[in-house]
Amino acid sequence: GAGVSQTPSNKVTEKGKYVELRCDPISGHTALYWYRQSLGQGPEFLIYFQGTGAADDSGLPNDRFFAVRPEGSVSTLKIQRTERGDSAMYLCASSPSGVYQETQYFGPGTRLLVL
Amino acid sequence: GESVGLHLPTLSVQEGDNSIINCAYSNSASDYFIWYKQESGKGPQFIIDIRSNMDKRQGQRVTVLLNKTVKHLSLQIAATQPGDSAVYFCAENSLMDSSYKLIFGSGTRLLVRP
Repeated sequence: GAGVSQTPSNKVTEKGKYVELRCDPISGHTALYWYRQSLGQGPEFLIYFQGTGAADDSGLPNDRFFAVRPEGSVSTLKIQRTERGDSAMYLCASSPSGVYQETQYFGPGTRLLVL
Repeated sequence: GESVGLHLPTLSVQEGDNSIINCAYSNSASDYFIWYKQESGKGPQFIIDIRSNMDKRQGQRVTVLLNKTVKHLSLQIAATQPGDSAVYFCAENSLMDSSYKLIFGSGTRLLVRP
């Protein structure tokens, strides 16, 4: 079956611009996670959705970052007034129900470059 | 795990040899551990997991060992193949600390020499 998909695969933007990154989780998965990965480092948690609601957004670095999941499936990570330090790989993962010790399946990521 | 920035630790092995990748974790409350494989330009791929009530778990060509006393995790890959070349991350999870949040280590790059 289809895995987690993310679009675009690469995004180049200019400092100060607005970007949207999209995640399509595995069908039927109610739990969705966003992580950010800087070059040479492991992924870092940003936000967790259970259904339509953000159950934990404590990993979002500041108020320029926002994410939505209006119908409990597709999620969009939105970054306002992008800065060069936002350049990273943005990874989305999903799991069936978000219960403890459940495998998180990752998508291929969106590589964001802010010039 | 402690970040090492751009300079990932690298393990170079001969094709056919066994590989051992190590990981130290810091949270004594962590009770679920996962190994992920990440190939260049791709997302992390689940390999194997282990719960804290176990000290060893085996999969196909892979074995994970957990030593809770010294907070150490290892991934053993038998008969390493060129397709095993990737960066390997351990991740930890704790029921007491945001049970859905995976905390990743800094990764080890595995290079398989033909």
